[in-house]
Amino acid sequence: QLQLQESGPGLVKASETLSLTCTVSGGSIISTSYYWGWIRQSPGKGLEWIGSIYHSGATHYNPSLKSRVAISVDTSKNLFSLKLRSVTATETAVYFCGASRYYDTLTAFYLAWFDPWGQGTLVTVSS
Amino acid sequence: QSVLTQPPSVSAAPGQKVTISCSGSSSNIGNNYVYWYQQVPGTAPKLLIYDNNRRPSGIPDRFSGSKSGTSATLGITGLQTGDEADYHCGTWDSSLSAVIFGGGTKLTVL
Repeated sequence: QLQLQESGPGLVKASETLSLTCTVSGGSIISTSYYWGWIRQSPGKGLEWIGSIYHSGATHYNPSLKSRVAISVDTSKNLFSLKLRSVTATETAVYFCGASRYYDTLTAFYLAWFDPWGQGTLVTVSS
Repeated sequence: QSVLTQPPSVSAAPGQKVTISCSGSSSNIGNNYVYWYQQVPGTAPKLLIYDNNRRPSGIPDRFSGSKSGTSATLGITGLQTGDEADYHCGTWDSSLSAVIFGGGTKLTVL
């Protein structure tokens, strides 16, 4: 059974870089079935997709965050990581990692549903 | 502000039926599959519906999904107190090339 677990600092200073890791267990990160992604949820707000990565290193990012985000994968350790530069206090949120299915045809590509999700980790950005 | 529009809250009595709407546009719901997630406060979202109307293994048939044009609907019948949660719709936006979500709907079972 595939499981994901986030880890990283719970407190980051404004203007610095937020770094998180998601460790995958119960399955291989080089599975051809999944993209691996990050989603965040500010207190009392909805979900916001940050970006996703394939085991090959191919990435897709939220256009609104693309200039500050980097997602990488370490297949030897079965994990993937998030770096978000120049954070502000408004980016205090619970950060989730998740496995998403995808559709990749000759005419279209898109990411589909996320399942499973990690339990989430609260990151507070101090101003 | 979310690209997909959901009502902030809905409520109904135990045993009753409730529907939650999710409104989008031709670049997202109109041409892509819709997904629904259930999130009990303090926990991670859980997949309820994928590909508009399909239920993952273990999800009871009290939960159903449908789509028409640029809107989607989640239906829950035989409401139970354990159904109290936030419900989120999601899809792919072909213009943004991004996963997008609604703002979430809080379900209260009175």
